[in-house]
Amino acid sequence: DGGITQSPKYLFRKEGQNVTLSCEQNLNHDAMYWYRQDPGQGLRLIYYSQIVNDFQKGDIAEGYSVSREKKESFPLTVTSAQKNPTAFYLCASSPQDRGVGTEAFFGQGTRLTVV
Amino acid sequence: GDSVTQMEGPVTLSEEAFLTINCTYTATGYPSLFWYVQYPGEGLQLLLKATKADDKGSNKGFEATYRKETTSFHLEKGSVQVSDSAVYFCALSEPWGGSARQLTFGSGTQLTVLP
Repeated sequence: DGGITQSPKYLFRKEGQNVTLSCEQNLNHDAMYWYRQDPGQGLRLIYYSQIVNDFQKGDIAEGYSVSREKKESFPLTVTSAQKNPTAFYLCASSPQDRGVGTEAFFGQGTRLTVV
Repeated sequence: GDSVTQMEGPVTLSEEAFLTINCTYTATGYPSLFWYVQYPGEGLQLLLKATKADDKGSNKGFEATYRKETTSFHLEKGSVQVSDSAVYFCALSEPWGGSARQLTFGSGTQLTVLP
């Protein structure tokens, strides 16, 4: 089945550690995204990528880094510079075309907790 | 910039009650509009969408009409079920113009349906 796989589902980080969240898609989508979700809030865009080896900062990129070495993969690293990393992280992808109404497809999310 | 405003939650209804979740938007162009649903601990799933004025999106008994004159996309369902309990997000995306298709989300509305 085609879809987006995020791993792990739950992740615990100690203060000062970097952690990497995995996102893999087999939908052959060009564009991929990382969102952060905090309780009672909407989704905020961290980074996005339109094509392999290219990515752009979203609204809240500070303290995060990404790479896009393969079309299928868009891992997110939460660095020690991110002061409040506890949140639910969602990865998404969408086709890169000029048609209107094309939705994004989401993974099941990774819940990151700082301990 | 683009923005989406949803009615504040949480919303609690009895089974078979009528549901309305208000959503208004601000956009510079002519956006596509979406409703996504998030069940506890999961990612987002597309519920319905509309791409032009007066379009009505519908799915699983939910409906929303793209009202350009009032910049609104209110979600309705005539008779809710316990299984509809979830968080609902209104979102928009601007027409593709050389950049990745980004979604702008509202803050989400928590719906609880009681038996």
